Amino acid sequence: SQTIHQWPATLVQPVGSPLSLECTVEGTSNPNLYWYRQAAGRGLQLLFYSVGIGQISSEVPQNLSASRPQDRQFILSSKKLLLSDSGFYLCAWSRTGRSQPQHFGDGTRLSIL
Amino acid sequence: RKEVEQDPGPFNVPEGATVAFNCTYSNSASQSFFWYRQDCRKEPKLLMSVYSSGNEDGRFTAQLNRASQYISLLIRDSKLSDSATYLCVVNQVDGGYQKVTFGTGTKLQVIP
Repeated sequence: SQTIHQWPATLVQPVGSPLSLECTVEGTSNPNLYWYRQAAGRGLQLLFYSVGIGQISSEVPQNLSASRPQDRQFILSSKKLLLSDSGFYLCAWSRTGRSQPQHFGDGTRLSIL
Repeated sequence: RKEVEQDPGPFNVPEGATVAFNCTYSNSASQSFFWYRQDCRKEPKLLMSVYSSGNEDGRFTAQLNRASQYISLLIRDSKLSDSATYLCVVNQVDGGYQKVTFGTGTKLQVIP
């Protein structure tokens, strides 16, 4: 069966510090991978998606970046965090093809001080 | 108009009641549809896919109306554990990539 791991679960960072969140998927190959952010009481905002190694598409221009160094590894980064970067960050995967649902990791709750 | 719209609620219903949520979508080329539930401060979890002919999973029934561009979720015999936010999801396939749009969710509170 497929599993998705995301860490850390909680993170408190000062403004201006860097960020690295990691997500890995097991039990499948060549998944589509996604990073979302959810602000408190709000809907999911798609940040990045990837259909393969080294292939990253950005949905929202901001101070975040993503990388996919391996088939089942997806990393979300920032060089300098802003207060507005606070939120609940979710990684998800799906199979390629039509009618494939996404499956989410447990999420990382990021607070910027 | 938003791509996917849901009534945010909250829907407060007594235990045992039947409750229904609708979700409208704007793109007629949308190809697949899902319902997720999200508990407070947790990740969304897939509840069920929505098929053209409608489908049922226990107390949950999902339906699709392509002509009017909405999907619905019916919950019968509501349980306290059904309290959550229900998100509808609409997929399109564009050049091999799935464009996934989440609604902002409908909050359900089942009351004892």
